Amino acid sequence: DGGITQSPKYLFRKEGQNVTLSCEQNLNHDAMYWYRQDPGQGLRLIYYSQIVNDFQKGDIAEGYSVSREKKESFPLTVTSAQKNPTAFYLCASSTGLAPHYEQYFGPGTRLTVT
Amino acid sequence: KNQVEQSPQSLIILEGKNCTLQCNYTVSPFSNLRWYKQDTGRGPVSLTIMTFSENTKSNGRYTATLDADTKQSSLHITASQLSDSASYICVVTGTQTGANNLFFGTGTRLTVIP
Repeated sequence: DGGITQSPKYLFRKEGQNVTLSCEQNLNHDAMYWYRQDPGQGLRLIYYSQIVNDFQKGDIAEGYSVSREKKESFPLTVTSAQKNPTAFYLCASSTGLAPHYEQYFGPGTRLTVT
Repeated sequence: KNQVEQSPQSLIILEGKNCTLQCNYTVSPFSNLRWYKQDTGRGPVSLTIMTFSENTKSNGRYTATLDADTKQSSLHITASQLSDSASYICVVTGTQTGANNLFFGTGTRLTVIP
């Protein structure tokens, strides 16, 4: 997990509520990423940020939002517009932008929405 | 379409035995291939990385091979230990810049039993 922390480890929410997942890194990495992992599927990219105050949509950005106000922090908000939010969420960071720099992953947050 | 397929989906072996996991990909043009180990409820951790010109790479009891001509890779685990129980994910990178140029396999779930 290196110097990447995600909190909380487990998160439970009612349908219709927004929820924010935390991701912090002390590796001095410029780039940060959010992935979603579902059973039987590969990791899917939600959002990524190459530098502070800049971020780009990944393959499945609908229903999610992010901010990058500080280099070490990249929180992900799962909005009520996300139709199937229950999943395991992984944050990652790298020195430079992937794929040409190795990504280091956090321990993940398991979100359950009922 | 760029795809990464892993087999088998799951595998159970006795402690001390060897095993081989497979990864086939269609990503083109190809840059590199990584194998990750993901413990249950944790983030993936890199085991090996191989570029186009490399045929084999070892990391302790883990040995990865790559045949770029047939677009196949394997991960061989020698003298398995209970701690090897995890999911093993193959990740293939294309040559283009961009965080969405990483292609993740669905993983092989390995269980090592005493």
